Amino acid sequence: EVQLLESGGGLVQPGGSLRLSCAASGFTFSTYAMTWVRQAPGKGLEWVSSVGRSGVDTYHADSGKGRFTISRDNSMDTLYLQMNSLRAQDTAVYYCVKGGIGEAGLDTWGQGTLVTVSS
Amino acid sequence: QSVLTQPPSVSAAPGQRVTISCSGSASNIGSRSVSWYQQLPGRVPKLLIYDNNKRPSGIPDRFSASKSGASATLGITGLQTGDEADYYCGAWDNSLGAGVFGGGTKLTVL
Repeated sequence: EVQLLESGGGLVQPGGSLRLSCAASGFTFSTYAMTWVRQAPGKGLEWVSSVGRSGVDTYHADSGKGRFTISRDNSMDTLYLQMNSLRAQDTAVYYCVKGGIGEAGLDTWGQGTLVTVSS
Repeated sequence: QSVLTQPPSVSAAPGQRVTISCSGSASNIGSRSVSWYQQLPGRVPKLLIYDNNKRPSGIPDRFSASKSGASATLGITGLQTGDEADYYCGAWDNSLGAGVFGGGTKLTVL
């Protein structure tokens, strides 16, 4: 069974940093692109970042460019999202998702981790 | 304002058919595959349709989708109260070099 377990969320002050982690199991992690999607309270889905299978190719939404960095460790089957210079608008549930938003779709979602940016 | 445009809400009676539209542009839907996601109240989103019209295993054939030009449509037949959810379309955007979602459509089964 595919499982994605996010961790690292919490309360952080504006301007602070957090690193989200996503431990993957139940599939060959290194053969899939991986994605972070977020959802602000009461709002819709927002694509945040994707990383290719090897970790070389990374993509970020404009909202996170220069502040967010997606990465992966295929030896540890783990996906990361380093978030710096956090803003109140970054408050959301962050989902770790298997796949990319392309042809095969985002096929398995983690339970999400809540990030709250507030003073 | 989302790059992909969906109606905020649709409604229909149990047993009826409903469609949800998703309008984009040549740089996203017009040239890339569309996927659809269902988010039941208080739940995690789930992949409903990928590659424009394909259903993952376990998704009933009451759910279907199509694409024409820069627009896509999700159809649900034999509506059930359990289908009440938010539905999102998604695609890659070549111009942005990023993924994009529609704003979501809330389906109410009256």
